[in-house]
This record gives sequence, structure tokens and C-alpha cells, in this order.
Amino acid sequence: DQQVKQNSPSLSVQEGRISILNCDYTNSMFDYFLWYKKYPAEGPTFLISISSIKDKNEDGRFTVFLNKSAKHLSLHIVPSQPGDSAVYFCAASGNTGTASKLTFGTGTRLQVTL
Amino acid sequence: KAGVTQTPRYLIKTRGQQVTLSCSPISGHRSVSWYQQTPGQGLQFLFEYFSETQRNKGNFPGRFSGRQFSNSRSEMNVSTLELGDSALYLCASSLWTGGNGYTFGSGTRLTVV
Repeated sequence: DQQVKQNSPSLSVQEGRISILNCDYTNSMFDYFLWYKKYPAEGPTFLISISSIKDKNEDGRFTVFLNKSAKHLSLHIVPSQPGDSAVYFCAASGNTGTASKLTFGTGTRLQVTL
Repeated sequence: KAGVTQTPRYLIKTRGQQVTLSCSPISGHRSVSWYQQTPGQGLQFLFEYFSETQRNKGNFPGRFSGRQFSNSRSEMNVSTLELGDSALYLCASSLWTGGNGYTFGSGTRLTVV
């Protein structure tokens, strides 16, 4: 049972345009959400996170939006750059006791073209 | 500061054998978590250790075990290897358990033949 879903396995975007990566979750106990970026042969790198008490968090070119009623979050990258080409994982964690257990989606491969 | 170090980087084992993977967390980090990454399943949580105690466990069979030493270094052991255990095993460390400041290592690529 996939509790965190990234339904788009891949996405191609032109340099300078906006990249929108989507993530859906089913477990209403999740209250913290994270995005990681992963290059081949490297471990995932933390990008940005959002708590369930917020609906938006911004960090430079990266913005994460959370829609709790729809159990949906998205990562916006503006403007997209070739160095952003990587696999992006959405992850979620629950409240105390399970907060250390991150549940990941299967990832979306982003390709930023020139 | 040095990052999370996982050894070895690559490993080939035969079905039925056992394997031990090692993880050295960032200095000062006391929480170590292990994840398995496979193409179809993404990253799946194995277990988390904090102060030498297992704090959380994922849905993996008992063949998967781990431990943490007093210096916070952690080892993961898989016994009676199966072909399906072929995966990238990732370790992540954090200052505290339940925190979200996890830093991942580059992983150990295990191939079972």
C-alpha cells in the first residue's frame, strides 16, 4: 500500500520555465512533508519541507504548497535550471513516535532541457 | 565537516549468504536510519537507531537487523540473502530522533546473484 504517491515518473521542462512536481498521500496522520533531490550514485539531498500547519513554504527558487483537504502537495521550481535535473522524492512523516520514519514516494525524474 | 559515510560502496553476494553494511554518521549525530531503495518501490524505511536503541522499525522480515554502537556508528545485517534483496541501501543521520534534519550517505549497492 503506497501511502505517498508520485504519479508522474518523469517530467521534462525547458530551462527558465517552471517545474511542478506533484505528490499525493493517503495517511491523514502525516503532519510533516519533505522534498529530496537525488543525483545518480549519491544519497538524497534535502531540499525543502513544510509542516501541516502551513500551506506554503518558500526557499529561493523552490516553493512547496500543501493542500491538506486534498492530501496533495507540490514542489515548484522557478526558474528551472539544467542543474535541477535529478530524481525528486516526496516524503512524509507522522507525529511523535513515528516522526523518525519517513515514507517516500517512488520519485519523479526531472529533466531540464536547454 | 565529514558527511555520512557508508561502506562498502558496492557489494556482490550469493543467495543464502549474509552481509553486513556499515554507516558512520556525521560527528555529533546520534540518530541513524536505514532505507532500502529499489526501482519499483522507491525508498523504504528499514529501522532507526538512537543512543544504541532501535526506536522505529519498518515492515521488513527478521532477516534484516541492525545495531548501533556507543560512538553512534551503525551496522545493518541481512541474513540468508535473496535475489530480491538486491538494492541500494541508504543510511541517514540526524542530531536527534524524530527530527527532520536527515543527511543521507551515498549508499551501498548490494547485488545478490
